[in-house]
Amino acid sequence: EAEVAQSPRYKITEKSQAVAFWCDPISGHATLYWYRQILGQGPELLVQFQDESVVDDSQLPKDRFSAERLKGVDSTLKIQPAELGDSAMYLCASSPRKGLEETQYFGPGTRLLVL
Amino acid sequence: GDSVTQMEGPVTLSEEAFLTINCTYTATGYPSLFWYVQYPGEGLQLLLKATKADDKGSNKGFEATYRKETTSFHLEKGSVQVSDSAVYFCALSRSGSRLTFGEGTQLTVNP
Repeated sequence: EAEVAQSPRYKITEKSQAVAFWCDPISGHATLYWYRQILGQGPELLVQFQDESVVDDSQLPKDRFSAERLKGVDSTLKIQPAELGDSAMYLCASSPRKGLEETQYFGPGTRLLVL
Repeated sequence: GDSVTQMEGPVTLSEEAFLTINCTYTATGYPSLFWYVQYPGEGLQLLLKATKADDKGSNKGFEATYRKETTSFHLEKGSVQVSDSAVYFCALSRSGSRLTFGEGTQLTVNP
C-alpha cells in the first residue's frame, strides 16, 4: 500500500538554528499539505500545494517558515530561525486532486524539539 | 469560520464496553466529515468518512452518521478492544481544502 514518506522522524535543534523537513507524497497525488500539531491539540494547516503552486499559506508564519514543491512531487518545509514555540509534530499529507477526492493521507510526521 | 468541537477527554473504558465520542461542527455549506485515529508517536490514519447528510461511515467496527440537522458526527463502537487505545480526531473539509480538526479525544481501554 502506497504511503506518504517523511524524514527525519525526529529532530532536535537549538533555538536560532535552521531546520528542514522533507515529504514525499503518494505517487500521483497532486495536492500536498503541511500541518503542525502542537502536543495535545489537533493539527493545523500551514501550507497547501496544488501541483507546484501554493493555494493556501494563510497560516504560515512567513517571516521564518518557507515551503516549496519545485517539481510538483516532493516538498520541503524550512524553519529559519527556529524558536522554542516551534516544538511540535510536523505532518505531511497528500490527496489525489482537490475537489474530486477529499481524503487526505498522512505520513508518520517529524517531531521537532527546539532547545 | 469552520470549527469542530469534540467531547472533552480523556475517556477510559473496560474491554468490550460501548464507546461514544461526540463531535459537533460549525461550517457553511456541506462539508465532508472524517474521523482520524492517531497511535502514540505516529501520524494520523483515516478511520472513516461521510460526504453528505445521512451518510454512515464505518470501518473496523466503528461507525458515525452525518447528521446535518444536529450538525453532528458522533463516533460509536459496540465493543472496544485494548488495541483501540489511541487519540481520535473529528475533522471536516470543504471541497478538498484544509482539514479543520477538533482537539482530539484520548481513549484508553483497559483489559
